[in-house]
Amino acid sequence: QQQVKQSPQSLIVQKGGISIINCAYENTAFDYFPWYQQFPGKGPALLIAIRPDVSEKKEGRFTISFNKSAKQFSLHIMDSQPGDSATYFCAASLSGATNKLIFGTGTLLAVQP
Amino acid sequence: KAGVTQTPRYLIKTRGQQVTLSCSPISGHRSVSWYQQTPGQGLQFLFEYFSETQRNKGNFPGRFSGRQFSNSRSEMNVSTLELGDSALYLCASSRGESEAFFGQGTRLTVV
Repeated sequence: QQQVKQSPQSLIVQKGGISIINCAYENTAFDYFPWYQQFPGKGPALLIAIRPDVSEKKEGRFTISFNKSAKQFSLHIMDSQPGDSATYFCAASLSGATNKLIFGTGTLLAVQP
Repeated sequence: KAGVTQTPRYLIKTRGQQVTLSCSPISGHRSVSWYQQTPGQGLQFLFEYFSETQRNKGNFPGRFSGRQFSNSRSEMNVSTLELGDSALYLCASSRGESEAFFGQGTRLTVV
């Protein structure tokens, strides 16, 4: 029940296209859902995060869509660029425990020029 | 504003030895968490410290321990190293109930 399932494992998108990564969870007590971006040899960097009281959050080219009833959330990267090529992780945490993150398995995104 | 700093960046140890890794959080952050990242198991939570007290703990054996000092700096220790402990160890800091920011990690190789 503590798992966060992430798909796809890898994704190839053309420059300018939309990248979509999906995550699903079981524990309805989760109330914080961040997305992290990781480049090789670097630590994960926080991209964007959402709480269950909103269905969508947008920051620049990055959008989180959240479906509370389906217990799913997704990351959309609009106008994908080669510089977006990285591994993306979704995560979830319980109330008051934003630094105890349960991570998805990651999605390796390659944006082709 | 300085980010999360982890030292050392790389470490090679022999089976059976012990190792100590260090993490300096972002100024003002009182929560420090540690994660282990491996290709097979992904990113796994080890433990979290807040105001020098362990607040949360993951499912790792007792060989993995940590502590936090009064200035919020944290150390984690792994005793009796095993080959399977080879991983990237990541530290993340936060104010407590806000976003967590990661350091670049310490790459530990056990031979």
